[in-house]
Amino acid sequence: QKEVEQDPGPLSVPEGAIVSLNCTYSNSAFQYFMWYRQYSRKGPELLMYTYSSGNKEDGRFTAQVDKSSKYISLFIRDSQPSDSATYLCAMSGDRDDKIIFGKGTRLHILP
Amino acid sequence: NAGVTQTPKFQVLKTGQSMTLQCAQDMNHEYMSWYRQDPGMGLRLIHYSVGAGITDQGEVPNGYNVSRSTTEDFPLRLLSAAPSQTSVYFCAVGGGAHQPQHFGDGTRLSIL
Repeated sequence: QKEVEQDPGPLSVPEGAIVSLNCTYSNSAFQYFMWYRQYSRKGPELLMYTYSSGNKEDGRFTAQVDKSSKYISLFIRDSQPSDSATYLCAMSGDRDDKIIFGKGTRLHILP
Repeated sequence: NAGVTQTPKFQVLKTGQSMTLQCAQDMNHEYMSWYRQDPGMGLRLIHYSVGAGITDQGEVPNGYNVSRSTTEDFPLRLLSAAPSQTSVYFCAVGGGAHQPQHFGDGTRLSIL
């Protein structure tokens, strides 16, 4: 089993819809969870950074962590065409500084 | 991306040539990393540094060298370019001590 799994998509949704992006992981030592957005021909941009379980909200974005299920989610409300990008999840543990990335999900918001 | 500058943005090399990819940061962060990103493979760690004078190998270090003489700069050297090194290379600043990483906009490298 891969350490971090993420559906590559593409995921196409109409403008205004709620988007749900997800990652599963196998390492129970992961404590820190991140979501990055990557536009075409650009570097990944940090969107959300959370610790342990629970929810974190920032504008239209909500990050959710369920450590018991080893499952993290990113919700985008009122999706816009400008949200079209690749979204990467990432995580790290207490004992290892390295950040493990998912392979990314391509998201298309249809006007 | 503010704070992390990568040069050049694009480069085409012939097999066997060498070159250096530059990464400079103004974030005063000790931790810097180099990744390559290939379709279907995601981000793979090449080398990283936890401070000036300290470097270590990542997941795919073969064919690459790094050095870290200053906090600001972390160059990546391709010693003898091979077509398998065709990729997009990203420099990241941060990470370690449970901090997220911030990326540059990448260098797109083609090896013919």
